[in-house]
Amino acid sequence: AQSVTQPDIHITVSEGASLELRCNYSYGATPYLFWYVQSPGQGLQLLLKYFSGDTLVQGIKGFEAEFKRSQSSFNLRKPSVHWSDAAEYFCAVNSGGYQKVTFGTGTKLQVIP
Amino acid sequence: DVKVTQSSRYLVKRTGEKVFLECVQDMDHENMFWYRQDPGLGLRLIYFSYDVKMKEKGDIPEGYSVSREKKERFSLILESASTNQTSMYLCASEPTGYSYEQYFGPGTRLTVT
Repeated sequence: AQSVTQPDIHITVSEGASLELRCNYSYGATPYLFWYVQSPGQGLQLLLKYFSGDTLVQGIKGFEAEFKRSQSSFNLRKPSVHWSDAAEYFCAVNSGGYQKVTFGTGTKLQVIP
Repeated sequence: DVKVTQSSRYLVKRTGEKVFLECVQDMDHENMFWYRQDPGLGLRLIYFSYDVKMKEKGDIPEGYSVSREKKERFSLILESASTNQTSMYLCASEPTGYSYEQYFGPGTRLTVT
């Protein structure tokens, strides 16, 4: 069965600092991997996705993520955080076929001046 | 742009009431989903539908039912609302095929008193 773990419930970074949000998945083969962002009071929006090919994926809002098969990880990064990035971030996995997407429990990002 | 709308942003109901949450998408997507979101638990799938009049149970279907009479509309029904159903409810749609990319509505925050 597929599963996804986001070990950090809450992260605080200073504006302008770099960011890395961790995501680990459990699945035998290469799954489909996603990062979503949820701004306060809003639904989720897709930041980026990985299906195959280049393991470094670029997304919207200046985010990128790197798929590392050996570590079963798909960490989200941003070189310089803006105050508007304060939100909750969800990693998600789908093993394909008629499987459903499984979401992680989320990481809430706080950005301080 | 895909648009997923939900009938209410905030809803307050009494214990025992029948509650209808409506979701409409405008991109002719075949697949639609209902999730509930609770702090620390992430998104949990309640029901999903791959076509009109078709429905499948998700991970936590107890106490809920759904209806999909038209392709664009997917309704979540709480037959007899209880306080433990106080939550944020998110609807999503997804095109058929292998994108697995879901488009979310803004959510309905339901409070059952």
